[in-house]
Amino acid sequence: AQKVTQAQTEISVVEKEDVTLDCVYETRDTTYYLFWYKQPPSGELVFLIRRNSFDEQNEISGRYSWNFQKSTSSFNFTITASQVVDSAVYFCALLTGANSKLTFGKGITLSVRP
Amino acid sequence: GAVVSQHPSRVICKSGTSVKIECRSLDFQATTMFWYRQFPKQSLMLMATSNEGSKATYEQGVEKDKFLINHASLTLSTLTVTSAHPEDSSFYICSASRGFRASGEDTQYFGPGTRLTVL
Repeated sequence: AQKVTQAQTEISVVEKEDVTLDCVYETRDTTYYLFWYKQPPSGELVFLIRRNSFDEQNEISGRYSWNFQKSTSSFNFTITASQVVDSAVYFCALLTGANSKLTFGKGITLSVRP
Repeated sequence: GAVVSQHPSRVICKSGTSVKIECRSLDFQATTMFWYRQFPKQSLMLMATSNEGSKATYEQGVEKDKFLINHASLTLSTLTVTSAHPEDSSFYICSASRGFRASGEDTQYFGPGTRLTVL
């Protein structure tokens, strides 16, 4: 069975602080994909990143960075120098070849205060 | 980029009526479309997967007679909530992908969602 755990439910930071959103996943498949999506108050899910199970390289995109560690089954997301516009719900999701559907975590509500 | 639209964005209806929600891929052909349901402050739950020209595949616990899905073309899928009741009130989100089934190499692009309120 596939499972995604986002233990943090709500995080509040002050603008310019760095913040890390945790994601832990479970799967027996050796081939799988991990995703992060952002859901602003408007409701639309915005794709942020996809990572396959064979690529453990960390990735940086502007203020965003992702740390994938298979040894701990984690795919954490860090926002550097957070901004008010980063306020949203962030979902981590898992897709496996066997399951062929996205399994979402419960989401983390990030509030960035000015 | 790939854009997915949904219409309407918000609908309020009386109990017992049927409501149709449209999901369109605007700039690509969507072989597969997915329908999700999201309750307030909760995660997205997949309801069904549809491929163009085929019957939708429903997730366990989702009533296919209640939630009718039609994927008649490569750019349009519709979800009809039949005989809606207050417990059907929710945020419905569709997504679309180019591939035949959910694939890690094939990004799902999400629509903006439709908020359904049944009185």
